[in-house]
Amino acid sequence: EVQLVESGGGLVQPGRSLKLSCVASGFTFNNYWMTWIRQAPGKGLEWVASITNTGGSTYYPDSVKGRFTISRDNAKSTLYLQMNSLRSEDTATYYCTREIAGGFAYWGQGTLVTVSS
Amino acid sequence: NIVMTQSPKSMSISVGDRVTMNCKASQNVGNNIAWYQQKPGQSPKLLIYYASNRYTGVPDRFTGGGYGTDFTLTINSVQAEDAAFYYCQRIYNSPTFGGGTKLELK
Repeated sequence: EVQLVESGGGLVQPGRSLKLSCVASGFTFNNYWMTWIRQAPGKGLEWVASITNTGGSTYYPDSVKGRFTISRDNAKSTLYLQMNSLRSEDTATYYCTREIAGGFAYWGQGTLVTVSS
Repeated sequence: NIVMTQSPKSMSISVGDRVTMNCKASQNVGNNIAWYQQKPGQSPKLLIYYASNRYTGVPDRFTGGGYGTDFTLTINSVQAEDAAFYYCQRIYNSPTFGGGTKLELK
């Protein structure tokens, strides 16, 4: 059974940093691209970052480019999201996801990040 | 950047009704569309991939259609457990979500 378990969320002040983790199990982690998606309270879904299976390439929307860094440790089956210079608009639940061909079939339970002073 | 627009934003229907919701892409995306269902307090669940393919375990009352810029998600004979938010998503190359449609039951 595929499982994705996020951790690392919490309350952080604007301008500070936070690192999220996602431990994957139930599949061969190094065979798959991985993606972070977030959802602000009461709002829709927003793609945050994607990384290739080897970690050789990463992709971001303009809203987080230069502030967030996605990475992975295939030996530990773990995905990361380093978030720097956090803003109030980054407040959201962050989901770790894995694609199948044509959609994100596997989602973690999410970890809540609150950016507030 | 491609923008995905969903309509209506919300709808209220009765159990047993048939409902269709829409998703419009600002550019041709072929069949690179997925649909998700999200219930309160839960993670989204994949319903449809490549515009019209039902994901494993999804009831056959859910049907996706469309190509290019206009897409639909139809639920035949809506059940009480279908009350949820539904999101379309352009897959690949900077995946982009629509704003969602809230389905409520009368």
